Amino acid sequence: DGGITQSPKYLFRKEGQNVTLSCEQNLNHDAMYWYRQDPGQGLRLIYYSQIVNDFQKGDIAEGYSVSREKKESFPLTVTSAQKNPTAFYLCASSNRENYGYTFGSGTRLTVV
Amino acid sequence: QKEVEQNSGPLSVPEGAIASLNCTYSDRVSQSFFWYRQYSGKSPELIMSIYSNGDKEDGRFTAQLNKASQYVSLLIRDSQPSDSATYLCAVITGGFKTIFGAGTRLFVKA
Repeated sequence: DGGITQSPKYLFRKEGQNVTLSCEQNLNHDAMYWYRQDPGQGLRLIYYSQIVNDFQKGDIAEGYSVSREKKESFPLTVTSAQKNPTAFYLCASSNRENYGYTFGSGTRLTVV
Repeated sequence: QKEVEQNSGPLSVPEGAIASLNCTYSDRVSQSFFWYRQYSGKSPELIMSIYSNGDKEDGRFTAQLNKASQYVSLLIRDSQPSDSATYLCAVITGGFKTIFGAGTRLFVKA
């Protein structure tokens, strides 16, 4: 079955540590996105990519980095510069700008 | 004014009733409109999309769009306890950016 796989499901980060969240899709979608969701809050866009080797900052890109070396993969690195990283991270993809998103199951990141 | 606004709820309806969820948006040239369902602790799931004025039905769900009033709604007929979730409205603006509302929590009482 086609879909988006995010891993790990739970991740614990120590202060000052960089961590990378994985996102892989086999839907042949061109566009991929990273969102952050805090408890009781809406979705906030971190980064997005419409084609391979190209990506754009979203509304809250500071402290995060991404790469898009393959169409299927869009990993997100949470750097030590992100001061409040504890949140639910969602990866999504879409095949056209006017189509809806398919979301992965999410990664819960906690700072310990 | 927020770009996409939803009543946060919670909206509580009895089992078997019609649940009506509403969403307004600010960009007059918005083109595409979506409803997502998000169960607690889970990721959002696309349940309806609508692109032109009027109603679109899919099973127990009906999406309604009125571009003149900048208003989109989701009706859930014969509501079930399993429909209890947060419903997110999303709009693709004239600038081809997807904006999500903060969501409306729905509780269906058995």
